Amino acid sequence: AQSVTQPDIHITVSEGASLELRCNYSYGATPYLFWYVQSPGQGLQLLLKYFSGDTLVQGIKGFEAEFKRSQSSFNLRKPSVHWSDAAEYFCAVGAREYGNKLVFGAGTILRVKS
Amino acid sequence: DTEVTQTPKHLVMGMTNKKSLKCEQHMGHRAMYWYKQKAKKPPELMFVYSYEKLSINESVPSRFSPECPNSSLLNLHLHALQPEDSALYLCASSAEDFTGELFFGEGSRLTVL
Repeated sequence: AQSVTQPDIHITVSEGASLELRCNYSYGATPYLFWYVQSPGQGLQLLLKYFSGDTLVQGIKGFEAEFKRSQSSFNLRKPSVHWSDAAEYFCAVGAREYGNKLVFGAGTILRVKS
Repeated sequence: DTEVTQTPKHLVMGMTNKKSLKCEQHMGHRAMYWYKQKAKKPPELMFVYSYEKLSINESVPSRFSPECPNSSLLNLHLHALQPEDSALYLCASSAEDFTGELFFGEGSRLTVL
C-alpha cells in the first residue's frame, strides 16, 4: 500500500537558520513527489514537484528538494528561513498508475523564532 | 487565472439542514476534487471528477453528494450531517493529463451543530 511518512510533527528553527523537512514514501510504482505548504485556515499551495530527471528540484520561495530513490526520500530544504515561512508543510506522493489520487503525509508544522 | 474559488468561506448548519458548497475554476482543468481536512490532519480525498464524471468516491457517506454541472463548477451538497463532519472542505483541480499538481481553493470551513 502507498504511504507517506513525515517523521517530524513540529520543527522550530531560528530566523535565518537552515531548514530540512523529511519525507519518506513507500510506493509500488514510479512516484510523482510534491511538497505543499498551508498557512492557517488557508488552502494548500504547491512549493515544488518531482516527476523525473534531475533529482534536485527548485521551487518557489527559495525552497528545494532532493529525490533519493535509494532512500525513498524527498526532503525539503531551505538555506535561510524567514518568519513568513511559518506554516504547515505536507509531502505528497502520486503515480500515474493510481490515477488522480495523491497520498499526503501527516504534515510538519514549522515554527520560526526570531 | 490560476485560482480555485470556493464559497462560502464559512458555513454553520444544523443536522437537519440542507446546504451546498461551491467551487469554480477557470484554468481549463478537467479534473476536480473534494478533500476534507480535520484540524491538524492532512487532507483526505473524498471525490474526484474527471471530465465531469465521478471517477473516485472514497466510500464517502451518502449525506455528502457531489455534483459537477460543467467543467468549471463543482458542488458538494450536504444533508443530515453530523457534528463530526465539521471540517475544512477543500476543492482542487488539476490538468486533464494528471500531472498530480493540484490547485487548491482556500476552503470552506463547515461547522455542524
